[in-house]
Amino acid sequence: QLVLTQSPSASASLGASVKLTCTLSSGHSSYAITWHQQQPEKGPRYLMEVNSDGRHNKGDGIPDRFSGSSSGAERYLTVSSLQAEDEADYYCQTWGTGIVVFGGGTKLTVL
Amino acid sequence: EVRLLESGGGLVQPGGSLRLSCAASGFTFSSYAMNWVRQVPGKGLEWVSSLSGSGISTYYADSVKGRFAISRDNSKNTLYLQMNSLRGEDTALYYCAKGEAYDQSGVDRWGQGTLVTVSS
Repeated sequence: QLVLTQSPSASASLGASVKLTCTLSSGHSSYAITWHQQQPEKGPRYLMEVNSDGRHNKGDGIPDRFSGSSSGAERYLTVSSLQAEDEADYYCQTWGTGIVVFGGGTKLTVL
Repeated sequence: EVRLLESGGGLVQPGGSLRLSCAASGFTFSSYAMNWVRQVPGKGLEWVSSLSGSGISTYYADSVKGRFAISRDNSKNTLYLQMNSLRGEDTALYYCAKGEAYDQSGVDRWGQGTLVTVSS
């Protein structure tokens, strides 16, 4: 069964960096995922796609502070030089035959 | 610029029907899969349904299979979601989302959503 697992919460200080993790279920470690940001009271925004080899393709206008990487079944989103507006929910998403899956989301708090 | 504009949400009684629309612009609509994703306020994102660029291949979450029908009119650049036999648990903000490729793929653009409330 294709499942994405995310930690419910994360926090980091203003100006620091944070690495969010999205874990693919067993047997699906080769799958690509996408990352999305949802700021409070707003709709989701596409950030990037991250492949199993760590390559990532960012969406239009996404700052260089956002980057993606991979290791095994884990896909990462790193946000550097944290700003107040980075406080948001972050979701990963993947797809398989006949199915699209979202992770439960990680709420990032900027201290 | 890619734009996705949902409409058709509203208040409906349990057992009722509603049709959502999503008007797309800024890209070659027929070349991309499209999706409906919903979100209960305060909760996470839940995939509802997808269809391929041609509209021939359709996919549904188990929670809506047999009740919802996704379709598209490529001549009008519009995506639809026909929702029948609505239940309270279908209450959510419904987003239209563009796929990255012709068939099932990642989502790379989102609309602003339309609210569906199922209540008597």
